[in-house]
Amino acid sequence: KAGVTQTPRYLIKTRGQQVTLSCSPISGHRSVSWYQQTPGQGLQFLFEYFSETQRNKGNFPGRFSGRQFSNSRSEMNVSTLELGDSALYLCASSLVGAPYEQYFGPGTRLTVT
Amino acid sequence: AQTVTQSQPEMSVQEAETVTLSCTYDTSENNYYLFWYKQPPSRQMILVIRQEAYKQQNATENRFSVNFQKAAKSFSLKISDSQLGDTAMYFCAFMNRDDKIIFGKGTRLHILP
Repeated sequence: KAGVTQTPRYLIKTRGQQVTLSCSPISGHRSVSWYQQTPGQGLQFLFEYFSETQRNKGNFPGRFSGRQFSNSRSEMNVSTLELGDSALYLCASSLVGAPYEQYFGPGTRLTVT
Repeated sequence: AQTVTQSQPEMSVQEAETVTLSCTYDTSENNYYLFWYKQPPSRQMILVIRQEAYKQQNATENRFSVNFQKAAKSFSLKISDSQLGDTAMYFCAFMNRDDKIIFGKGTRLHILP
């Protein structure tokens, strides 16, 4: 079974631009969570989607948004990029009823210049 | 607020030795999950071991075992017969009833040949 895939793996953007990252969960997994990893703040929860609905949200500004499609694939969008948004963005998927077993993707490294 | 603290930013041990990584957490909840995740240089976050708070028996996965002290809110990871492939960042993490994972800052572990 294929693992969680994230595209693109690397991205360079300029301040003020917007960016969209994609996450394809493991087949059969309907829950997708997103995390931001930075050297200063560590790993922080962004949001979780289940059945196309945002079920949980972390403490991030409204510039960070996401969505989930009917095939469980998820995208996250960051608008008006700031230098501090440079990070590794990880997504994780899990089965319904098994949130304690999350499988992570390889991440997207976003650099904002 | 729930927090996870890893007091050892970095550790080094010789191959084949045993090493223990420390973790403490703070929560007022009674039912939760605790995890140790490994993130090698490839960045892929891998679940090492999971402990359910209601289980008194410490979890074990091959060379990896935990010492779970619920009253003390302590959750340490012991790696026996360490191998070069164990070199990685190790994150202690907590999952509350909202299914959000809260991570510690991590311990960078170096296994020396």
